[in-house]
Amino acid sequence: QVQLVQSGAEVKKPGASVKVSCKASGYTFSDHYMHWVRQAPGQGPEWMGWVNPNSGGTYYAQNFQDRVTMTRDTSINTAYMELSKLGSADTAIYYCAREGVAAAEDTFDMWGLGTLVIVSS
Amino acid sequence: QAVLTQPSSLSASPGASASLTCTLRSGFNVGTYRIYWYQQKPGSPPQYLLRYKSDSDNHQGSGVPSRFSGSKDASANAGILLISGLQSEDEADYYCMIWHSSTSLFGGGTKLTVL
Repeated sequence: QVQLVQSGAEVKKPGASVKVSCKASGYTFSDHYMHWVRQAPGQGPEWMGWVNPNSGGTYYAQNFQDRVTMTRDTSINTAYMELSKLGSADTAIYYCAREGVAAAEDTFDMWGLGTLVIVSS
Repeated sequence: QAVLTQPSSLSASPGASASLTCTLRSGFNVGTYRIYWYQQKPGSPPQYLLRYKSDSDNHQGSGVPSRFSGSKDASANAGILLISGLQSEDEADYYCMIWHSSTSLFGGGTKLTVL
């Protein structure tokens, strides 16, 4: 079955970077854009951007443009999101979300279970 | 001011219908957007429910019951998620979303209580 398995929780100090992975299985990895969405405690989701697993192309939300990098490794069907210069406001659950295709285009039709990132001194 | 505004909470009885609204900020015409709806239960990621722009441009998520449907209220500049025949399992947070200038924007969510 389709699965997105994310890496484990992280605790980081302010100013550090974090890299979260998302391993896809059960479908053709290169056929679907992979998006990253975060959710701070008690808040709504916040979209961060996407990576095209086929080309490696990326598009980032303006709020994150200067400190986020999204990559992928097609040999192991894994997408990555690295966020630098962490601050306390970056404490959140980070989700990878697969974009649907055809009639389901522009939908996030499958989500990982999330990776909790805590930023604390 | 947020682009998408949702009531923070809503309560309804089992078997009744619930109408969840998503109001777009002035300058964002609801008629031009596809409105996406996601359901999130505690400890789980959001799940896609449906997309609605018009009766001829809409999409139901895989396995989503037909008692979840979308509509719009142009006079209120709002998208609407209608849930009929409420069940206890529908108790969750519901988020609306749009794509604007290649950017995804989420509302703050409505907590639906079924009691």
